[in-house]
Amino acid sequence: EVQLVESGGGLVQPGGSLGLSCAASGFTFSTYAMHWVRQAPGKGLEYLSSISTYGGDTYYANSVKGRFTVSRDNSKNMLYLQMGSLRAEDMAVYYCARGYCSSGRCYPNDAFDIWGQGTMVTVSS
Amino acid sequence: QSVLTQPPSVSGAPGQRVTISCTGSSSNIGALYDVHWYQHLPGTAPKLLIYGNSNRPSGVPARFSGSKSGTSASLAITGLQAEDEADYYCQSYDSSLSGVVFGGGTKLTVL
Repeated sequence: EVQLVESGGGLVQPGGSLGLSCAASGFTFSTYAMHWVRQAPGKGLEYLSSISTYGGDTYYANSVKGRFTVSRDNSKNMLYLQMGSLRAEDMAVYYCARGYCSSGRCYPNDAFDIWGQGTMVTVSS
Repeated sequence: QSVLTQPPSVSGAPGQRVTISCTGSSSNIGALYDVHWYQHLPGTAPKLLIYGNSNRPSGVPARFSGSKSGTSASLAITGLQAEDEADYYCQSYDSSLSGVVFGGGTKLTVL
């Protein structure tokens, strides 16, 4: 079964750091670009970051640029998001998603065809 | 405020047809970047409904269709069912922002 499972969410103080993980299974992880998306309470989906198949090309939303770092370990089928200088407005459910591209010329605007169930990050003192 | 504008809400009776618009500009949809659509039920993972403007992934009913023209895209749902009640989001790329963007989302209510 194709699956993504996020972990690492929790409570963190403002200004703190937290690392999220996304475990992939059921597909050849190294052949897909991967992405992070979040949804704050009562808000819509917000794009955060993308990483290409071998990690050489990354993108970040302006809201997290310089504070968040995306990485991947294809040998472990793992995707990561290291978050720093966390703010109250970073409180959200964080999703990882697999990128799908039918034309070969999509990245980073892939369609996100497989999503994890999400992990909650709470930023509060 | 997203660069892709969606109506906050739409509604329709069972069996009816509804459309959800996604209005952009010359730096995103009008620049020929693909539009993708998602359905999101609270507490669940978003689901890809339409990719590449008008293509349906396997398993998505033919009641869902997508189109794009100029600087706008639309998601149409025919034969509305109670289970369609959810939030719907469009996604594209914006060259001014140099990044992927989501629309603000539209809440569909089945009356």
